Amino acid sequence: DAMVIQNPRYQVTQFGKPVTLSCSQTLNHNVMYWYQQKSSQAPKLLFHYYDKDFNNEADTPDNFQSRRPNTSFCFLDIRSPGLGDAAMYLCATSKWGGSGANVLTFGAGSRLTVL
Amino acid sequence: AQRVTQPEKLLSVFKGAPVELKCNYSYSGSPELFWYVQYSRQRLQLLLRHISRESIKGFTADLNKGETSFHLKKPFAQEEDSAMYYCALKTSGSRLTFGEGTQLTVNP
Repeated sequence: DAMVIQNPRYQVTQFGKPVTLSCSQTLNHNVMYWYQQKSSQAPKLLFHYYDKDFNNEADTPDNFQSRRPNTSFCFLDIRSPGLGDAAMYLCATSKWGGSGANVLTFGAGSRLTVL
Repeated sequence: AQRVTQPEKLLSVFKGAPVELKCNYSYSGSPELFWYVQYSRQRLQLLLRHISRESIKGFTADLNKGETSFHLKKPFAQEEDSAMYYCALKTSGSRLTFGEGTQLTVNP
């Protein structure tokens, strides 16, 4: 009964070859997040959506894009992956407002390897 | 700057000993702080949040605005507490900033 599902769990791509990671949720949460986590580092917020309102972090490279076609799905597109983009990518969701605000439910992550 | 610092990357204690995982933050507004935990082969999940003022799995955390700290404590550690612990700070809107984490190992 996984509630935040990420696909694929493991993705291997070649340097410069575009890749798309997907995230789906059954919680009907307004907010969806993408975090990048490199080995032994803190999860780093790339961007988040409040409904369809996209919020990019100032230091997120242009190489990273996102789409949220509906409440349930969110995609992370890496247009030209470099070796430095190898990481675990975490999708998370939360409610907006109320007692559930900022309580994130995470997916299992997608581990990206760049050759 | 808005920042969360967990000074210990690794912490090892024996079963039954007290444990304290340190978290310090830097934030100009009124802070809202969380502890998240990741057990082996599981996904990251919320452990507790300061506004709830609750004890979860025997863990408590008190926000100390004077010392800008939110340390996580448990009086008697159990082996099943072994995990990666992340302190997190709500910075604005829906943004959550994480510390680098502390790997806790509880030895038998």
